[in-house]
Amino acid sequence: GQSLEQPSEVTAVEGAIVQINCTYQTSGFYGLSWYQQHDGGAPTFLSYNALDGLEETGRFSSFLSRSDSYGYLLLQELQMKDSASYFCAVRDHRAGTALIFGKGTTLSVSS
Amino acid sequence: DTGVSQNPRHKITKRGQNVTFRCDPISEHNRLYWYRQTLGQGPEFLTYFQNEAQLEKSRLLSDRFSAERPKGSFSTLEIQRTEQGDSAMYLCATSRSGEETQYFGPGTRLLVL
Repeated sequence: GQSLEQPSEVTAVEGAIVQINCTYQTSGFYGLSWYQQHDGGAPTFLSYNALDGLEETGRFSSFLSRSDSYGYLLLQELQMKDSASYFCAVRDHRAGTALIFGKGTTLSVSS
Repeated sequence: DTGVSQNPRHKITKRGQNVTFRCDPISEHNRLYWYRQTLGQGPEFLTYFQNEAQLEKSRLLSDRFSAERPKGSFSTLEIQRTEQGDSAMYLCATSRSGEETQYFGPGTRLLVL
């Protein structure tokens, strides 16, 4: 089957750096995506890694190691507004491009 | 606002009633997905359309659920004979062929009493 594991909660203070890890089991791996979801809001796309290495987009970076079936999302210079749930996701190989999501990591940023 | 709209935003119904939700995608997006999300969980895939063709349905999708995308634009998701276990947020997402990014609508929150 396909599954993803990520920590359920992470806490940090403003200005800090936090890393959210994700390990996955899947057949037919295409890439690892990350989505952010604020309370009561819709998931919004953050990043996608198809190849090994680090992708940087502003304060957020995402890393993938295909050989280790592992990736992480790195959030730098944390702000209060970064408090949200973060989901890693892989394609469901049985359903074209539909995504299978992890259970999410709730990030709480305090001042 | 991603440009994907869903209506209604909230729905309260009694067990056994039928409900229908609508999703209007970003106009040039030919792929449309329905997901369901319950508290503390990630979105779970329900069904997927490419243009008007329903290409995949999850095993989660019981016979009481049906979805359509008649002209390859908006889509509807109907739940017949609702049960309390159907209470969840129903999310629609759309994307372009060849692109990984899925754009989610704000969701319809269903409460079955």
